[in-house]
Amino acid sequence: QQQVKQSPQSLIVQKGGIPIINCAYENTAFDYFPWYQQFPGKGPALLIAIRPDVSEKKEGRFTISFNKSAKQFSLHIMDSQPGDSATYFCAANPFSGNTPLVFGKGTRLSVIA
Amino acid sequence: DGGITQSPKYLFRKEGQNVTLSCEQNLNHDAMYWYRQDPGQGLRLIYYSQIVNDFQKGDIAEGYSVSREKKESFPLTVTSAQKNPTAFYLCATAGANVLTFGAGSRLTVL
Repeated sequence: QQQVKQSPQSLIVQKGGIPIINCAYENTAFDYFPWYQQFPGKGPALLIAIRPDVSEKKEGRFTISFNKSAKQFSLHIMDSQPGDSATYFCAANPFSGNTPLVFGKGTRLSVIA
Repeated sequence: DGGITQSPKYLFRKEGQNVTLSCEQNLNHDAMYWYRQDPGQGLRLIYYSQIVNDFQKGDIAEGYSVSREKKESFPLTVTSAQKNPTAFYLCATAGANVLTFGAGSRLTVL
């Protein structure tokens, strides 16, 4: 119940394409769903996050879509650029309290020109 | 990075040696975490601390130890009992439900 399953493990898209990364969870107590972006040799950084009171959230070229009934959420990157090449992690936890985030295993994205 | 300093950035260890990774923060956050990252394995939680002088085991605590004597510091010791310690280690703090990570320490066992 504590797992967050992320797919695909790796993804290659052409510049301008729209990569989509999917995550699924089982624990219905989860109500906070962030995405982290990590460049090689660096620590991850928060990219965008959503709570289940909305079905979609956009920040610039990054969009989270959330399907509460299916317990799934996904990250879309519009007009992807080579600079978006990184590893992306989805995560989840109950918003209140200090329960550590549960992370997916990551998706390595390569955007080729 | 972001008020979290991890050192050293690279560390080499011989078999049977204990090593300590440093994590210092100036964000005034109560909660601190240690994660281990291996290719294809994501971020696995080793230990976390929500307050000074208290800490809890994460999913892969065996072979590791921590202390939290000061709010600013959460060092991780990789002991000789950890059979496969070669990995990238990340320290993080939590504030307003946002995890802020350090730049990481890469440990290699020779």
